[in-house]
Amino acid sequence: GAGVSQSPRYKVTKRGQDVTLRCDPISSHATLYWYQQALGQGPEFLTYFNYEAQPDKSGLPSDRFSAERPEGSISTLTIQRTEQRDSAMYRCASSLLAGVGEETQYFGPGTRLLVL
Amino acid sequence: AQSVTQLDSHVSVSEGTPVLLRCNYSSSYSPSLFWYVQHPNKGLQLLLKYTSAATLVKGINGFEAEFKKSETSFHLTKPSAHMSDAAEYFCVVSDLRGGGNKLTFGTGTQLKVEL
Repeated sequence: GAGVSQSPRYKVTKRGQDVTLRCDPISSHATLYWYQQALGQGPEFLTYFNYEAQPDKSGLPSDRFSAERPEGSISTLTIQRTEQRDSAMYRCASSLLAGVGEETQYFGPGTRLLVL
Repeated sequence: AQSVTQLDSHVSVSEGTPVLLRCNYSSSYSPSLFWYVQHPNKGLQLLLKYTSAATLVKGINGFEAEFKKSETSFHLTKPSAHMSDAAEYFCVVSDLRGGGNKLTFGTGTQLKVEL
């Protein structure tokens, strides 16, 4: 597609529920990143995919968080048993290549998650 | 580990006056550095990036940044602020550990432009 899209844009859920966020990257891009942005902070890395492989999950805050990209395009981020501290903006980005420091990442509009 | 420090959380300027947003970096190797801008309710947009080709980098909307290795700085400037520049600005460094290109963001500088 023309840019990175994310859905839903807003999600309100109750503590203990599971949520799944979706990211649709730019179609030619091999690499896809997930970031978490708390209010008043900069985004923080969660995980990334190179096609369908997930080489780095080091930023996932707990085993309640998981992500997948089964066909190397669309990705989902799932948070199980949500907690109030999971409330944040979740941002997805894609880039053409992995492992190149100067490579530009293109960000989607984000999903604002509120856990009550 | 790679990191960036944005020295001002808020900057306020008058329209038509220069803008200076300060950023210092820490890196164990020659870094790739970026400035992103975030307008309210919009995604992050790349302003410019430093890739070691030139120390003075020009970006969109009249912004530029200068990489100074001796000062470990990458400050963002613009000669004349416009009302539409009001936004949050992030200084970012890339981290290639793990094979990917993890971006490490600063805490952001909120730019306010007054008439």
